[in-house]
Amino acid sequence: AQRVTQPEKLLSVFKGAPVELKCNYSYSGSPELFWYVQYSRQRLQLLLRHISRESIKGFTADLNKGETSFHLKKPFAQEEDSAMYYCALSGRGNTDKLIFGTGTRLQVFP
Amino acid sequence: ETGVTQSPTHLIKTRGQQVTLRCSSQSGHNTVSWYQQALGQGPQFIFQYYREEENGRGNFPPRFSGLQFPNYSSELNVNALELDDSALYLCASSSQPGQAAYEQYFGPGTRLTVT
Repeated sequence: AQRVTQPEKLLSVFKGAPVELKCNYSYSGSPELFWYVQYSRQRLQLLLRHISRESIKGFTADLNKGETSFHLKKPFAQEEDSAMYYCALSGRGNTDKLIFGTGTRLQVFP
Repeated sequence: ETGVTQSPTHLIKTRGQQVTLRCSSQSGHNTVSWYQQALGQGPQFIFQYYREEENGRGNFPPRFSGLQFPNYSSELNVNALELDDSALYLCASSSQPGQAAYEQYFGPGTRLTVT
């Protein structure tokens, strides 16, 4: 079964603390993995994707095929990072449908 | 360049009624995907349209149907509304299906409440 699991509904940290938002997936094949973010009163937007191997706003995520994980990390959280984060996967086919996890709300306190 | 727009912003319908939601894709995009996001859940893929043809469908019953027009805008139609259809409906556009490298751009959503 194709599934994305985000075990934490809420993650609260203080400014400057490290952050790790967990994501595990189940997929028979080689999926593409993404992190989407939704800031307050804004639309869902792409944060980063594993194929780009990029760092966006200080966030990185490494695909671990052995552990089927794609955890999102940032060494020093900022207050403006407070948002809803969704992990998603897409199979390699003729459609790029996204399978989303249930999301993790990140709260960064001053 | 204009972003993805959706209308209406929100609406309330009665069980058994029919509803049509609309989406205008981002300029230059020919692919539109629809997602349903129930409260506390992540978005769930309903279907995708590419060049006016359905190009993939999720696990939704046939009473969920869609259209894509020559200008690549799209409609989502839901017949015989049920209480569980209450959700945020998201539209996303991209420039090429099947290519994960092409980013999907999401609209603000339509909040549907079925009473």
